[in-house]
Amino acid sequence: QKEVEQNSGPLSVPEGAIASLNCTYSDRGSQSFFWYRQYSGKSPELIMFIYSNGDKEDGRFTAQLNKASQYVSLLIRDSQPSDSATYLCAVLHFGNEKLTFGTGTRLTIIP
Amino acid sequence: GAVVSQHPSRVICKSGTSVKIECRSLDFQATTMFWYRQFPKQSLMLMATSNEGSKATYEQGVEKDKFLINHASLTLSTLTVTSAHPEDSSFYICSVSPPSPNEKLFFGSGTQLSVL
Repeated sequence: QKEVEQNSGPLSVPEGAIASLNCTYSDRGSQSFFWYRQYSGKSPELIMFIYSNGDKEDGRFTAQLNKASQYVSLLIRDSQPSDSATYLCAVLHFGNEKLTFGTGTRLTIIP
Repeated sequence: GAVVSQHPSRVICKSGTSVKIECRSLDFQATTMFWYRQFPKQSLMLMATSNEGSKATYEQGVEKDKFLINHASLTLSTLTVTSAHPEDSSFYICSVSPPSPNEKLFFGSGTQLSVL
């Protein structure tokens, strides 16, 4: 079982709609959860991070964490073509600074 | 501005040569830096943790004699791919851990290595 799992996609969403990206993790000791956006040929850039159960909103982005279900998601409202990218879920383990990444979900926003 | 500077951004080299990639922390002193590798359409895989003043810690399956890491100062870590081969062609990214716990990692801009 992979430590961090994501649906590889591609996920196609019409412009203006809500894009929902999901991620599950296996290590219950994980303490911090990150969503990165990566454009082709570029380094990842941080979108959101979340530590506590529940929702965290930042502009058009909402991260949701459910530690009991070992599940974290990212919602993108009012999707724009510029949101088309690969979204990487990453998990930080308790006791060290190593980030474990999922394989990423490729998101395409259709104009 | 950029917190982490990584150079070069792109390298094309012949098989058998060595390539050095630099990662600089611009805003703070970093005792720990990380090196990741990403093959096309795959996720980032941690290669090694670079520790200032001591030996790097390599992940399982990563050859320490092939991927030499030097972290001689609090702001600079280098990764040298020795005797590069086509299978080493990949996107190499460094990241820097900030002083505060639970803070985000800062990534360099990445180095695309192509070995002919």
